[in-house]
Amino acid sequence: EDQVTQSPEALRLQEGESSSLNCSYTVSGLRGLFWYRQDPGKGPEFLFTLYSAGEEKEKERLKATLTKKESFLHITAPKPEDSATYLCAGPVNYGGSQGNLIFGKGTKLSVKP
Amino acid sequence: DSGVTQTPKHLITATGQRVTLRCSPRSGDLSVYWYQQSLDQGLQFLIQYYNGEERAKGNILERFSAQQFPDLHSELNLSSLELGDSALYFCASSVGGAVTEAFFGQGTRLTVV
Repeated sequence: EDQVTQSPEALRLQEGESSSLNCSYTVSGLRGLFWYRQDPGKGPEFLFTLYSAGEEKEKERLKATLTKKESFLHITAPKPEDSATYLCAGPVNYGGSQGNLIFGKGTKLSVKP
Repeated sequence: DSGVTQTPKHLITATGQRVTLRCSPRSGDLSVYWYQQSLDQGLQFLIQYYNGEERAKGNILERFSAQQFPDLHSELNLSSLELGDSALYFCASSVGGAVTEAFFGQGTRLTVV
C-alpha cells in the first residue's frame, strides 16, 4: 500500500535552533516528492518538488533533500514565523502515469522566541 | 495567493442537507483535485478531474459527487450531510493530468450541526 510517513509528529524549537523533519515513503514508482507548508485553517502552500535521489532545493531557511527512501526538510536558524505544519506528499502511481498526491500527516513545528 | 479560488469560505448547515462547494483553478490549469481534511485525519484525496473528465477517485463517499465544467471550474456536491462530514474541504489545481506541483485554495470550512 502506498504510504507517506512523517516524523516527528510535533517539534518545538527555540529560535535559532536548527533541526530536521523526516518523510519516508513507500509509494511504488515514486515520481517526485513534494513538501508543503500549512498554517492553521489555511490551504497548503507549495514549497519544493524533488525528483531524484541526491537532489537538494533551498528556500530561505529551508532545505529539502531526497534519498531513495526518504526526504528531509532541514530548518536552519528557524524564526517564530516558520511555525506551521509541514506536509510531505508523493504522487500515487496509476498505471504508469502519476495521479493525485498522497499526504503524510505532517510535522507541527513550533518555534519559540 | 495560489491563484486557486474556493467559495464559500465557511458553511454551516444541518444534518440531512445538501451543499455545493465551488472551485476556480489557476489560469491555465486543467486538473482539479478535491481533498478533505478533518481534525484527526490528514489530507484525504476525494476525486480528480482533468479537462472536464473524471481522472481518479479516492475515498469519496457515494453521498458526494463532483463535476468540472467547460470553463474548468469545479463543484463538489455533498448530500445527506452527517455530523462527521464537518471538515475543511480543499481544492487544488495543476497544469496537467499527471501531478507536478499542485496549488491549493484556502478551503471551505464545513460545519454540520
